[in-house]
Amino acid sequence: KAGVTQTPRYLIKTRGQQVTLSCSPISGHRSVSWYQQTPGQGLQFLFEYFSETQRNKGNFPGRFSGRQFSNSRSEMNVSTLELGDSALYLCASSRAFPPMNTEAFFGQGTRLTVV
Amino acid sequence: AQSVTQLGSHVSVSEGALVLLRCNYSSSVPPYLFWYVQYPNQGLQLLLKYTSAATLVKGINGFEAEFKKSETSFHLTKPSAHMSDAAEYFCAAGVNNNDMRFGAGTRLTVKP
Repeated sequence: KAGVTQTPRYLIKTRGQQVTLSCSPISGHRSVSWYQQTPGQGLQFLFEYFSETQRNKGNFPGRFSGRQFSNSRSEMNVSTLELGDSALYLCASSRAFPPMNTEAFFGQGTRLTVV
Repeated sequence: AQSVTQLGSHVSVSEGALVLLRCNYSSSVPPYLFWYVQYPNQGLQLLLKYTSAATLVKGINGFEAEFKKSETSFHLTKPSAHMSDAAEYFCAAGVNNNDMRFGAGTRLTVKP
């Protein structure tokens, strides 16, 4: 059974550009969550989707957005990139919502570098 | 909202020695509690989670953690460290994903 797949693994972008990251959850999982990991701030929750609807949102500016498709694949978009957006972006999928009482499986992440 | 404190950003043990990674949470409501492990350039892997079923939780790779409400702690232990345990460990607490908080992480080094 394939795990959570995030693409691309590495990305370099210039300030002001926008970027789209993709996450394919484990087959049968309908909940997808996104996290940002940086050395300074650690792991921070971005948002969570279930059945194509955003169910929860973390404390990030509106430049960060996401969506989920009918096949449960999810994308997150960051517009007008800033240097501080450089981070490892992790996606996690789980079978049900709310996911707290089910196991969340993480992808390997997309490392975004903004120059 | 939760807050999670991991005491010690770096812990070093010898192979075969006891591993103890400390985690304290602050919450008015006992949350769900998790320990995750992260290897370099990898995502997070769940080691174990506390969901109020039992205070002593056994996880994968020989790890276990004990929930102590009076101490608001959820420390992770393993009786005998193995070289392959070297990684970064994160404690997390939350009731829902939007109040999920991760600790700053503890990097475990295992010396031969």
